[in-house]
Amino acid sequence: EAEVAQSPRYKITEKSQAVAFWCDPISGHATLYWYRQILGQGPELLVQFQDESVVDDSQLPKDRFSAERLKGVDSTLKIQPAELGDSAMYLCASSLSQGTGYTFGSGTRLTVV
Amino acid sequence: GNSVTQMEGPVTLSEEAFLTINCTYTATGYPSLFWYVQYPGEGLQLLLKATKADDKGSNKGFEATYRKETTSFHLEKGSVQVSDSAVYFCALKGAGQAGTALIFGKGTTLSVSS
Repeated sequence: EAEVAQSPRYKITEKSQAVAFWCDPISGHATLYWYRQILGQGPELLVQFQDESVVDDSQLPKDRFSAERLKGVDSTLKIQPAELGDSAMYLCASSLSQGTGYTFGSGTRLTVV
Repeated sequence: GNSVTQMEGPVTLSEEAFLTINCTYTATGYPSLFWYVQYPGEGLQLLLKATKADDKGSNKGFEATYRKETTSFHLEKGSVQVSDSAVYFCALKGAGQAGTALIFGKGTTLSVSS
C-alpha cells in the first residue's frame, strides 16, 4: 500500500536553531498539506500546495516558518528560529487532487528545548 | 467559519461496551464529514466518511450518520475491543474548491480495558 513518507521521525532541537522536515507524498498526488498537531489537540493546517504552488498558507507563521515544493513532488517545511512553543507533531498529507481523500504520513515529532 | 466540536475525553470503557463519541459541526453549505483515528505514535488513519446528508459511513464495526438537521456526525460502535484504544478525531471538509483542507476537532481519547 502506498504511503506518505516523512523524515525525521523524531527531532530534538535547541531554541533559536533551525530545523527542517521532509515529506514525500504518494506518487501522483498533486495536493500536499502540512499540519501541526500540538499535544492534546487536533491537527491544524499550516500550508496547502497544489503541485508546486501554495494554495493556502494563511495559518503559516511566515516570520519563522517556510515551506516549499519546488518540483511539485516532495516538500520541505522549515522553522528558523525554533521556539519552545513549536514543540508538536508535524503531519504531512497528500491527495490525488483537491476534494479527494487524504493519506497522512506518520509525522515528525519535534521537541524544542 | 467552519468548525468542529467533539465531546471531551477521556472515554474509559470495558471491553464489549457500547461506544458513542459526539461530534457537531458548524459549516456553510454541505460539507463532507470524516472520522479519523490515531494510534499512539502514529499518524492519522481515515476510519469512515460521509459526503451528504443522511449518509452513513461505516468501517471496522464503527458507524456514523450525517445528520444535517442536528449538524451532527456521532461515532458509534456496538462492542469495543482493547485494540480500539486510540484518539478519535472528527473532521470536516467544506463545500467547494476553496474548502479542500480538513478542519479537525480536538480529539477524544478512548481507553478500553479487558
